[in-house]
Amino acid sequence: GENVEQHPSTLSVQEGDSAVIKCTYSDSASNYFPWYKQELGKRPQLIIDIRSNVGEKKDQRIAVTLNKTAKHFSLHITETQPEDSAVYFCAASKGGYQKVTFGTGTKLQVIP
Amino acid sequence: NAGVTQTPKFQVLKTGQSMTLQCAQDMNHEYMSWYRQDPGMGLRLIHYSVGAGITDQGEVPNGYNVSRSTTEDFPLRLLSAAPSQTSVYFCASSYVSNQPQHFGDGTRLSIL
Repeated sequence: GENVEQHPSTLSVQEGDSAVIKCTYSDSASNYFPWYKQELGKRPQLIIDIRSNVGEKKDQRIAVTLNKTAKHFSLHITETQPEDSAVYFCAASKGGYQKVTFGTGTKLQVIP
Repeated sequence: NAGVTQTPKFQVLKTGQSMTLQCAQDMNHEYMSWYRQDPGMGLRLIHYSVGAGITDQGEVPNGYNVSRSTTEDFPLRLLSAAPSQTSVYFCASSYVSNQPQHFGDGTRLSIL
């Protein structure tokens, strides 16, 4: 089955710096790659996603890139702010009757 | 439109007791799933369903049962509670597995 690895497990950055979180997946048939943000004590919420027919997607300070050949995708957060502090999860799926596979999460701390 | 509703929000059980965690969605989503999240850890898939009458196991199914008799509801049953099942449980749904998932607010379960 699909295996998603996520790195790093923790990340500390100064406010205003950029943060990058990377995920690799094993199943070349996966075609949907979402990113979720989970604030302390809250539920995970989708922040951005990308499909296999697109190489990059941006939404204000957040961007996701996908390299299908290397089977990895990354979340980029620019101009980080304290409210970006949270746990971020990547995931992969291929639709149909197949499940969604999550990465193990990255705890991002933005230091004011 | 309430989204994904989980009940109860908190529960304390004694070892050996059984209970059902409820999950309901009003978005006509076919794909539903249950995760457990332990402190400092990621989301581990317990069971999932791709439609009414169809369920399958995730990575940590032991000790849990599910059924999907309607599109809206996906209850999770603990057969004989054990302290190792102390966790936060999240239910999530999406149209299909390669679409954004909507999470409920979670159920915090403690087993003494």
